[in-house]
Amino acid sequence: QVQLVQSGAEVKKPGASVKVSCKASGYSFTGHYLHWVRQAPGQGLEWMGWMNPNGGDTDTAQKFQGRVTMTSDTSISTAYMELSRLRSDDTAVYFCARVGYSLSPFNAFDVWGQGTMVTVSS
Amino acid sequence: EIVLTQSPGTLSLSPGERATLSCRASQSLSSNYLAWYQQKPGQAPRLLIYAASSRATGIPDRFSGSGSGTDFTLTIRRLEPEDFAVYYCQQYGRSLTFGGGTKVEIK
Repeated sequence: QVQLVQSGAEVKKPGASVKVSCKASGYSFTGHYLHWVRQAPGQGLEWMGWMNPNGGDTDTAQKFQGRVTMTSDTSISTAYMELSRLRSDDTAVYFCARVGYSLSPFNAFDVWGQGTMVTVSS
Repeated sequence: EIVLTQSPGTLSLSPGERATLSCRASQSLSSNYLAWYQQKPGQAPRLLIYAASSRATGIPDRFSGSGSGTDFTLTIRRLEPEDFAVYYCQQYGRSLTFGGGTKVEIK
């Protein structure tokens, strides 16, 4: 079945970087845009950016520009999101999510990963 | 940036009752590019409604979406025990933003 499986929980120190992976299965990886969304404990959803696995185009929300790098390895149907210069307020669950069939990167998310908890603490 | 304001923050209802959730956009959404998601504790969000009123695959017909322009509504016709959760709206007409969420709790 169609699914996105993310890497496990991470604990990092302030100033470090974290790289979260998102492995797709059950569909053509290059046929759908992927987005990253985060959710701080007890808070709402915050959009971070999108990438096109077919060609590698990306766009990042202004808040995260300069700190987020989104990449993919199409040979293993896996997307990555790296967040640098971590701060305590980056502690959150990070989700990858797939856009349904769409010519635009901006559309509803029909499949979500299970989430990866990233804790930033000294 | 388009800001989405959801109300109420919390809705206390009993199973079998009707739930009406509101999402207001700071600017008119082109082509009604609005989605609704349900999220339960410890789980990823689940897509319920896209394009303001189209149900996603497998979503029961007790869930319906309506609205246009800046005012949108998610209605749950008769609440089932599994419907108690947090609901988020999302606009994808101009970049992408989420509302702050409405928690539907058991009264």
